[in-house]
Amino acid sequence: QKEVEQNSGPLSVPEGAIASLNCTYSDRVSQSFFWYRQYSGKSPELIMSIYSNGDKEDGRFTAQLNKASQYVSLLIRDSQPSDSATYLCAVPRLGGGGADGLTFGKGTHLIIQP
Amino acid sequence: DTGVSQDPRHKITKRGQNVTFRCDPISEHNRLYWYRQTLGQGPEFLTYFQNEAQLEKSRLLSDRFSAERPKGSFSTLEIQRTEQGDSAMYLCATETGTPGFGPGTRLTVT
Repeated sequence: QKEVEQNSGPLSVPEGAIASLNCTYSDRVSQSFFWYRQYSGKSPELIMSIYSNGDKEDGRFTAQLNKASQYVSLLIRDSQPSDSATYLCAVPRLGGGGADGLTFGKGTHLIIQP
Repeated sequence: DTGVSQDPRHKITKRGQNVTFRCDPISEHNRLYWYRQTLGQGPEFLTYFQNEAQLEKSRLLSDRFSAERPKGSFSTLEIQRTEQGDSAMYLCATETGTPGFGPGTRLTVT
């Protein structure tokens, strides 16, 4: 069974600062990595996916992947109070691209302080 | 908007009762997934379909759980003889590259 580890937090970051969220995973065969945002009482929504080592930027979000270290991170620049949510890291359940479903971490609760 | 609807959004039931949830993708996605999420945890995979075929069922699921996707479009998840431990958010997802989740059905077993 794959494992995805995240610090549950809460992680408290001042408004305007960079929030850094980290995730480690247990296997070496996964090819795709995903970050979801989940507001309280709502379902998860995909915000970033990354497939290659290095950085991928999308607006204020940057995903970083290091397959050798089995580590993926999410940076949120210029944090806003609306970024306060739980951030879930996910990897393919059976490796590959995730067509067989995903294994999720427990999530990191992020609080942006105005 | 992921184009996935779920019904009902909330369900309160007494222990021992049967419940059924429905998932409707707007467009026909080949793959459809069911996950369960409890408080403080990430979603856990339950089962998934390719068209009408159920390809895998998690070992987490007891025999009280059954899922169907009769025509390869909507899907139902039934829980028989509910227990308090079944209280959770039940999430349906379809492939749009990666699972796009519906709004979920929150089940409370009293």
